Amino acid sequence: QVQLQESGPGLVKPSETLSLTCSVSGFSISSGYHWGWIRQSPGKGLEWIASIYHSGTTYSNPSLRSRITMSVDTSKNHFSLTLSSVTAADTAIYYCARDSYDYITSWGQGTLVTVSS
Amino acid sequence: SSELTQDPAVSVALGQTVRITCQGDSLRSFYASWYQQKPGQAPLLVIYGKNNRPSGIPDRFSGSTSGNTASLTITGAQAEDDGDYYCNSRDKSGNLWLFGGGTKLTVL
Repeated sequence: QVQLQESGPGLVKPSETLSLTCSVSGFSISSGYHWGWIRQSPGKGLEWIASIYHSGTTYSNPSLRSRITMSVDTSKNHFSLTLSSVTAADTAIYYCARDSYDYITSWGQGTLVTVSS
Repeated sequence: SSELTQDPAVSVALGQTVRITCQGDSLRSFYASWYQQKPGQAPLLVIYGKNNRPSGIPDRFSGSTSGNTASLTITGAQAEDDGDYYCNSRDKSGNLWLFGGGTKLTVL
């Protein structure tokens, strides 16, 4: 059974870059599916950030696109997100996820990132 | 429109039937999936595709679509069904994900 685990700093300063990694176990990233990030601001709903296909093609939320970079490291079986120029509005629980195109099959437990000086 | 719209809150008496709806143009082309979220937990998939339940999801959960509206129906709601429910589908291009704003379900 696939498991996803987010890792990264819990605190980031305004204007700096947020970097998160999702480690995948129980399934090889290079075998297929799509891999992505979703966030949830405190007390708010879910917001899709970006996804990367096993082909390397990346799709992202238009509202965040200019600040997003995603990458995959198949040798380590993990994928990563960087979000630049963060503000307090980027404070959220960040989930990594696997999707089959039609639906999101698996979620990580989430990691809280706070943007504050 | 590139949005999915849900009612913010719905309540249901214990044992009764409740329907949670999700509206959006993309639902004319793509099925919605539905996720249950409890405080402090990651979302849990409860319905996907035309009307499919993952293993372990009770059969009181069902899904349907009509036109631009997807519905999640809980037949005989239980206390443990209390929580937030989110719909999700592809946008009309098929490349991006959309989420509804979520519906808080209270089982009375």
